[in-house]
Amino acid sequence: ETGVTQTPRHLVMGMTNKKSLKCEQHLGHNAMYWYKQSAKKPLELMFVYSLEERVENNSVPSRFSPECPNSSHLFLHLHTLQPEDSALYLCASSHRQGGYEQYFGPGTRLTVT
Amino acid sequence: AQSVTQLGSHVSVSEGALVLLRCNYSSSVPPYLFWYVQYPNQGLQLLLKYTSAATLVKGINGFEAEFKKSETSFHLTKPSAHMSDAAEYFCAVSEDTGNQFYFGTGTSLTVIP
Repeated sequence: ETGVTQTPRHLVMGMTNKKSLKCEQHLGHNAMYWYKQSAKKPLELMFVYSLEERVENNSVPSRFSPECPNSSHLFLHLHTLQPEDSALYLCASSHRQGGYEQYFGPGTRLTVT
Repeated sequence: AQSVTQLGSHVSVSEGALVLLRCNYSSSVPPYLFWYVQYPNQGLQLLLKYTSAATLVKGINGFEAEFKKSETSFHLTKPSAHMSDAAEYFCAVSEDTGNQFYFGTGTSLTVIP
């Protein structure tokens, strides 16, 4: 595997389900990010991890819970989501924060029913 | 905070014609500037980046962009459009410090045969 991978690519879940999105980067980077991309809206930064510590949480509802067990892996745990949470969730990584380009995974298309 | 403005949410060009996608940023310090491309149901792919070296930056797939400090612009061009260039294009800005990339709202490029 190379670059940034995300699993699953597609996920359909009910509002009472609990699921997790997984991201793995194979680039030796120190920073990882979660973004939400909804139709007709700008890309929204959700969380930033640098050296496995969360450094940014952009007022994301608590039904989204990130986890970064090491510098290569990032999870987004989901519970009691709402239909408006349906979107493409993108993971990215960079060498470090600030000024360095981010490399994106292919995304997980989430549908909440 | 930074902001990025992409003029024109939709741009259509004929195959073989010049592609020009506009990006303006607000920054009081020298920024790092990026262009990304996103194909349907995929993540964002880095096209090119400006990091205070040459003001004319060449990227992949024949694209280039010119940094103009006086105009706070970083427009993306390609001399001759191909059908495969049809995609969504995002301009982004980052500062040397801080956690965030600031993305524009994107420009959807359509190439007419």
